[in-house]
Amino acid sequence: GAVVSQHPSWVICKSGTSVKIECRSLDFQATTMFWYRQFPKQSLMLMATSNEGSKATYEQGVEKDKFLINHASLTLSTLTVTSAHPEDSSFYICSAPREGMGNQPQHFGDGTRLSIL
Amino acid sequence: GNSVTQMEGPVTLSEEAFLTINCTYTATGYPSLFWYVQYPGEGLQLLLKATKADDKGSNKGFEATYRKETTSFHLEKGSVQVSDSAVYFCALNYGGSQGNLIFGKGTKLSVKP
Repeated sequence: GAVVSQHPSWVICKSGTSVKIECRSLDFQATTMFWYRQFPKQSLMLMATSNEGSKATYEQGVEKDKFLINHASLTLSTLTVTSAHPEDSSFYICSAPREGMGNQPQHFGDGTRLSIL
Repeated sequence: GNSVTQMEGPVTLSEEAFLTINCTYTATGYPSLFWYVQYPGEGLQLLLKATKADDKGSNKGFEATYRKETTSFHLEKGSVQVSDSAVYFCALNYGGSQGNLIFGKGTKLSVKP
């Protein structure tokens, strides 16, 4: 079963709206979570690294004021797309590494498809 | 910079056919390499991985060998099934034990009965 839950799976909203996406680790704690963005027929691109108890680390070119990340607890990170516009429409995916598993890559959420009208 | 190049799809095969999905990478140092699979309607799942040169990752009949000399990590399966229909992503990890991944664009595989 899923070990990382992402919600909502699909959201459609008007331009100017702020949208919050949640990423939860279900049966383990994650001090770090990653947020990716995927355009149609493109790779997943890392947007930011969410750190529990500290500020997120953003990749070059990602607007931190546009994409607010809050790692509220050891099992929850949220991504808020503020004042969303049509160009923000995309597929957003979170992932979380299971701590203590050595070089074990992350568990992924099912993604959130965001459509801004 | 670091990057992953994956053969473009879609790839359509008949059941029991041999599968190869090519993946090459560009990276500094010695990254770990991964194949992820995304079945319809589901999230990404780790299929297999290799952490150093000449390592072979294998799972569910799929194999891939880390080839440093050709900077490749091609995915192979001897006999595909309809249930293998999915999108396959090649990826590398350069950020340490649990760092973020750099992905290829993904290759959609459709297997016909």
